[in-house]
Amino acid sequence: DAGVTQSPTHLIKTRGQQVTLRCSPKSGHDTVSWYQQALGQGPQFIFQYYEEEERQRGNFPDRFSGHQFPNYSSELNVNALLLGDSALYLCASSFPGLPYEQYFGPGTRLTVT
Amino acid sequence: KNEVEQSPQNLTAQEGEFITINCSYSVGISALHWLQQHPGGGIVSLFMLSSGKKKHGRLIATINIQEKHSSLHITASHPRDSAVYICAVRDNNDMRFGAGTRLTVKP
Repeated sequence: DAGVTQSPTHLIKTRGQQVTLRCSPKSGHDTVSWYQQALGQGPQFIFQYYEEEERQRGNFPDRFSGHQFPNYSSELNVNALLLGDSALYLCASSFPGLPYEQYFGPGTRLTVT
Repeated sequence: KNEVEQSPQNLTAQEGEFITINCSYSVGISALHWLQQHPGGGIVSLFMLSSGKKKHGRLIATINIQEKHSSLHITASHPRDSAVYICAVRDNNDMRFGAGTRLTVKP
């Protein structure tokens, strides 16, 4: 059983560009959360998707948007990239009845130049 | 002030030493998590606590809800324990993370 998978592993973008990151949850999970982790800091919650809708959102601008597909996989989109968006983006999935038990993916490292 | 504070930020130990990492939080929580993050980014969930103490192998996690404090202990530390250990607290669906403690265990 594959755990949470994310793609791509690494990505380099230029300031002002747009990026899409992808996440496939662990089998049987239907809730996906996205986190941003800047270098040397703990992860920051971006948003959570359940039943193809954004259920909760952290303190991130509208440039950060997401989507969840019927197969529960999810995308994180970031528009108008800033240098400060350079970070490790983590996806985590969980069962609906066990929202406290999150399984994390390996992350996508985004570098904005 | 961060809602979740960890100490120390960095910790270097010799193989075999007993290690303690501390986490204090200032918000009401429903659960506290200890996570392990290896170089490259992958995060593994070690414990989820809402009270008392849990043990898994050489790892022990405790929480004192009244004092809003948790500790992660590693007994007989080993170089493969070298990683960043992150404390995270959950309030309903909102999860807040500490900055992490970077542990290096030298052989």
